[in-house]
Amino acid sequence: AQKITQTQPGMFVQEKEAVTLDCTYDTSDPSYGLFWYKQPSSGEMIFLIYQGSYDQQNATEGRYSLNFQKARKSANLVISASQLGDSAMYFCAMEQGAQKLVFGQGTRLTINP
Amino acid sequence: DAGVTQSPTHLIKTRGQQVTLRCSPKSGHDTVSWYQQALGQGPQFIFQYYEEEERQRGNFPDRFSGHQFPNYSSELNVNALLLGDSALYLCASRRTESGYNSPLHFGNGTRLTVT
Repeated sequence: AQKITQTQPGMFVQEKEAVTLDCTYDTSDPSYGLFWYKQPSSGEMIFLIYQGSYDQQNATEGRYSLNFQKARKSANLVISASQLGDSAMYFCAMEQGAQKLVFGQGTRLTINP
Repeated sequence: DAGVTQSPTHLIKTRGQQVTLRCSPKSGHDTVSWYQQALGQGPQFIFQYYEEEERQRGNFPDRFSGHQFPNYSSELNVNALLLGDSALYLCASRRTESGYNSPLHFGNGTRLTVT
């Protein structure tokens, strides 16, 4: 069965510092996709970045990058130069086959000024 | 270009009642999925609709049912509400042709409180 584990319930970071949010996953299927979503207090899930299991390079989207280590089954999100607006819940999710996402428990990130 | 819209934003119901939540997908999207997010948890998949049919279902009882209309909008119905049904209900959409490596777009959710 698919499983996503996020071991950091909360993270506190100073503004402008980089931060790494951990995510490990478990699957026996060689084909899968990994997503990171941001959820502010408003509730909306905002897509940040995607990594496919066959992608050779780590995904990057602006200040977001995904440190994909396939052998270790990890897909950590790196946010460079953090901003106050980055404070939110962050969810790692995995998808296999037809469009069902399995989410982790999330990490609450707080950026301090 | 409107994103995924959900209504209502908040709802308070009593145990045993029935509730209907509504979702309009992002323009051009034809697949709609519903997720339940309990407080402090990650979202859990309820079901997915495509071409007006339920295509996938998560581990939820039959009290949870849905519908998709010809214009791709969708409803989530929950019967015989329990206190444990209190949660944020998220609707997500995608254009099927984009493939499963394209992101699901989520709405702001409906917060249901059962008393």
